[in-house]
Amino acid sequence: AQSVTQLDSQVPVFEEAPVELRCNYSSSVSVYLFWYVQYPNQGLQLLLKYLSGSTLVESINGFEAEFNKSQTSFHLRKPSVHISDTAEYFCAVRASGNDMRFGAGTRLTVKP
Amino acid sequence: KAGVTQTPRYLIKTRGQQVTLSCSPISGHRSVSWYQQTPGQGLQFLFEYFSETQRNKGNFPGRFSGRQFSNSRSEMNVSTLELGDSALYLCASTAVPESRDTQYFGPGTRLTVL
Repeated sequence: AQSVTQLDSQVPVFEEAPVELRCNYSSSVSVYLFWYVQYPNQGLQLLLKYLSGSTLVESINGFEAEFNKSQTSFHLRKPSVHISDTAEYFCAVRASGNDMRFGAGTRLTVKP
Repeated sequence: KAGVTQTPRYLIKTRGQQVTLSCSPISGHRSVSWYQQTPGQGLQFLFEYFSETQRNKGNFPGRFSGRQFSNSRSEMNVSTLELGDSALYLCASTAVPESRDTQYFGPGTRLTVL
């Protein structure tokens, strides 16, 4: 079975500062990795995903994540955050034929 | 294209009652998954349906059940409600149940059990 650990439950950061949200996974088989974002009173929206190929994946709003197989990590980064990035972020893993497993979430709070 | 819709958005029930939640996937999507989200347990997978057949089921008691109709709309039912069933129930759809596919989530149904 697969599992995901998000190492930080809350990350406060000032506007325009860089941020890294950490995610580690455990699996005995190859997996697909996802980052989702949830704004208050809304469902989850996909930020980016790693399926294969280049280990660095980017989203349209400036986030990027790097798949590191040796460290079984898929950390999410953004070089400069905005107030509007305040949300809860979920890392997820899925192996072929299996259901999606989510981490506990990291609440990112961007302060002015 | 309209997104995933869930009805109702909010629901208040009392212990012992039963509840049915509805999910309409994105047009053309044939796979629907359900999740329960609580502050304590986070996001937990309930079940996945494709072409009216349950493909995967999470570790929930038999009080939780679901079904999918020929038009891909899905319902989940919780019988004999308990206080611990209070949660946000999220539905997600994909075109087909490929693990690499992006799941598109609805806004959820917030169930409160009193």
